This record gives sequence, structure tokens and C-alpha cells, in this order.
Amino acid sequence: SQTIHQWPATLVQPVGSPLSLECTVEGTSNPNLYWYRQAAGRGLQLLFYSVGIGQISSEVPQNLSASRPQDRQFILSSKKLLLSDSGFYLCAWVDSGANVLTFGAGSRLTVL
Amino acid sequence: GQNIDQPTEMTATEGAIVQINCTYQTSGFNGLFWYQQHAGEAPTFLSYNVLDGLEEKGRFSSFLSRSKGYSYLLLKELQMKDSASYLCAVRSGTYKYIFGTGTRLKVLA
Repeated sequence: SQTIHQWPATLVQPVGSPLSLECTVEGTSNPNLYWYRQAAGRGLQLLFYSVGIGQISSEVPQNLSASRPQDRQFILSSKKLLLSDSGFYLCAWVDSGANVLTFGAGSRLTVL
Repeated sequence: GQNIDQPTEMTATEGAIVQINCTYQTSGFNGLFWYQQHAGEAPTFLSYNVLDGLEEKGRFSSFLSRSKGYSYLLLKELQMKDSASYLCAVRSGTYKYIFGTGTRLKVLA
């Protein structure tokens, strides 16, 4: 069966520190992968998506970056966090050619 | 540009029927999706429409009119566990899924 893992689940980071969130998908090949952010009480903002290894499309210019070093691995990074980076980060995937986007459990980031 | 509008909040009574509307403006429309999100959790998929008309799935139904840029989610026989946010999302082109800000539904006993 297909599953998506996302970690860490919760983290508290100081302003100016780096960030790395990781997402892996099991049970599928060549999925399309996504990173979304949800600020408190807000909707989902599409940050990045990837249709293959090394292929990253950025939707919102900011101090975040994404990488896809392996087919089923998607990483969200920052060199220096800002207070405004706080939020609920969600990784999602969809099989290439399929329709339904499926989300991981999310990573809740608080920047102090 | 891309724009998706939903009401911010709705309240309904247990056992009633509620309709949550969504209007959208997007290029390359390629399907409309509804997700349910309980507080502190990830969204879960409810329904998908790509052609005009009504899709029914148990207590949940979703309607789409592409010419009007309009969809609704209909929830019947409301239960307390249906208290959640309901997110309307549009796929633009092949890869991009754009979400509205969501409608927070409160079900009262």
C-alpha cells in the first residue's frame, strides 16, 4: 500500500536558524510531490512541487528551498528562518497521471 | 490570476443539511476537489469533480458548473464529527493544486 511519511512532527526553532523538513513516499514510483504551508487559521499555500528527481517548481519567492534527491524523497529547507516562517507544513503526493492529492500528517514549525 | 472564494464560517444543527459554496477563477481548469480538515490535522480527500453535475458519496455530494466557475459541497444528516474546515481546491493545468482559504463548519447539538 502507499504511504507518506513526514518528519519531524513538531519543532521549535530560533529566528536565524536553519530548517530541514523531510518527506518520503512508499509504495509508488515517480510521484508528483508537493510542499504546502498553512499559517494559523489560513488556507493552504502552495510552496513547491516536483514532477521528478531534481525538478523543482517554486510558487512563492521566499527564503525557503526544496530539493528532490531521490524519486520518493522531498526536502524543504531554509538557511535562516524568519518569524513569518511559522506554520503547519504539509507534504503531499499524487501518482503521475492520477488525480487525488494525498497529504502527510504535517510538521508544525514555531519560530521564536 | 487564480482566485478561489468560500465563506469563512458556517453553523448548522446536528441532523440538518448544509451547503458550502465555492467560486473560482483559474486558468487551465482541470478538476475541482473538496477536502475535510479537522483542527490540527492534515486535510483528507472528500470528492472530485471534473465534469458538470453532481457526484454523490454517502452523506456527501459535490456539484460542479464549469461555465459558472461554481461548486458546492452538500453534507446531509449532519453529525457532530462533521465539525471541521472544508477546503475547496482547483487543479490548474496538470500539476498545480490551488486551495481556497476554507470554510469552518460548526455543528451544534
